Amino acid sequence: AQRVTQPEKLLSVFKGAPVELKCNYSYSGSPELFWYVQYSRQRLQLLLRHISRESIKGFTADLNKGETSFHLKKPFAQEEDSAMYYCALSGGGGSTLGRLYFGRGTQLTVWP
Amino acid sequence: SQTIHQWPATLVQPVGSPLSLECTVEGTSNPNLYWYRQAAGRGLQLLFYSVGIGQISSEVPQNLSASRPQDRQFILSSKKLLLSDSGFYLCAWRGLSAASSGNTIYFGEGSWLTVV
Repeated sequence: AQRVTQPEKLLSVFKGAPVELKCNYSYSGSPELFWYVQYSRQRLQLLLRHISRESIKGFTADLNKGETSFHLKKPFAQEEDSAMYYCALSGGGGSTLGRLYFGRGTQLTVWP
Repeated sequence: SQTIHQWPATLVQPVGSPLSLECTVEGTSNPNLYWYRQAAGRGLQLLFYSVGIGQISSEVPQNLSASRPQDRQFILSSKKLLLSDSGFYLCAWRGLSAASSGNTIYFGEGSWLTVV
């Protein structure tokens, strides 16, 4: 069965400090991993996905199949990064249903 | 461009009353549609998904039901609400990004339901 674990419910860092939001997953096939973000009073939106290997707003995430992890990283956090972050897994391999399974989320607070 | 809307944005309902949350998608046809619930401290839980009109699959047993009367309309309902139904409900649809064939899902604004 699919499972996404975000061990940190809350994470606080100071502006300019590096930040890493942890995500581990459990899936028997080839997963597709995503990070979604929800800023205050805004809708949940896609931040990045592993297959694109992109950097969005300074964030990157590398899929480590050996460690079954997909940690989200940013070298220098900004106050506007404060938000709820969700790691999500899709039963990839071209699943026609595209169901996403989410972790419980990590609330990131960046202090000035 | 595609858009998704859901309403009402907030709702306070007494225990035992019925519920109807609506979601519509514009700018696409035959989308996959989803209802998620975000309960406090429990993250996002997939409740229902639909691949076409009248086709509904339930992920977890519960006091809720879903219907898809039209291609781009998805409705979440309950005949009698429970206190435990309180939460933030999100409608979503699946799209294909231009950059890849990944299963990107786009979310509506959400509906806050408080059962009292």
